[in-house]
Amino acid sequence: KNEVEQSPQNLTAQEGEFITINCSYSVGISALHWLQQHPGGGIVSLFMLSSGKKKHGRLIATINIQEKHSSLHITASHPRDSAVYICAVGLFGNEKLTFGTGTRLTIIP
Amino acid sequence: NAGVTQTPKFQVLKTGQSMTLQCAQDMNHNSMYWYRQDPGMGLRLIYYSASEGTTDKGEVPNGYNVSRLNKREFSLRLESAAPSQTSVYFCASTWTGHQPQHFGDGTRLSIL
Repeated sequence: KNEVEQSPQNLTAQEGEFITINCSYSVGISALHWLQQHPGGGIVSLFMLSSGKKKHGRLIATINIQEKHSSLHITASHPRDSAVYICAVGLFGNEKLTFGTGTRLTIIP
Repeated sequence: NAGVTQTPKFQVLKTGQSMTLQCAQDMNHNSMYWYRQDPGMGLRLIYYSASEGTTDKGEVPNGYNVSRLNKREFSLRLESAAPSQTSVYFCASTWTGHQPQHFGDGTRLSIL
């Protein structure tokens, strides 16, 4: 069974700080997803990646396939980045995702 | 664009009552999913449908049934609600299982 572990579970930081959220998984995957869940509850997909790095605005996602590890970075963090960030992985030949429990990020002005 | 629409947004049921959660997507996606989200746990898959006319069990299917009515709609039914089914339910859709999923806004369901 593929386990997905996220760290930290909770993170509080000051506005402007550089943020790193980590995700580790236990078996080989076809792709890793990062999602964002805002306090209102809605979930949106941020990134899907299977190798290397992707960047969108102030968000950067990286993955190391050999180490089975991914990181989500936020540069120049802002209070509107406050949300739960969720890592999920998909296996080859499988339509299903396995989700981590999420990292709750709070950015203080 | 509406994306993925779930109804209702909130519902309170008594133990033993039945209800159906509705989900519709307007993106012509092939795959649709039902998840539940409980405190301290990741999203858990209840059922999914890889294409119109097919459904498969996920991690926590007991106590639920689904219907893929057509390509747009995927409903989740609780035949006899139990307090353990109190949760937030999310519907999602995607072109295939290897693409990003689009989520509905969720249904907050309480079983008394």
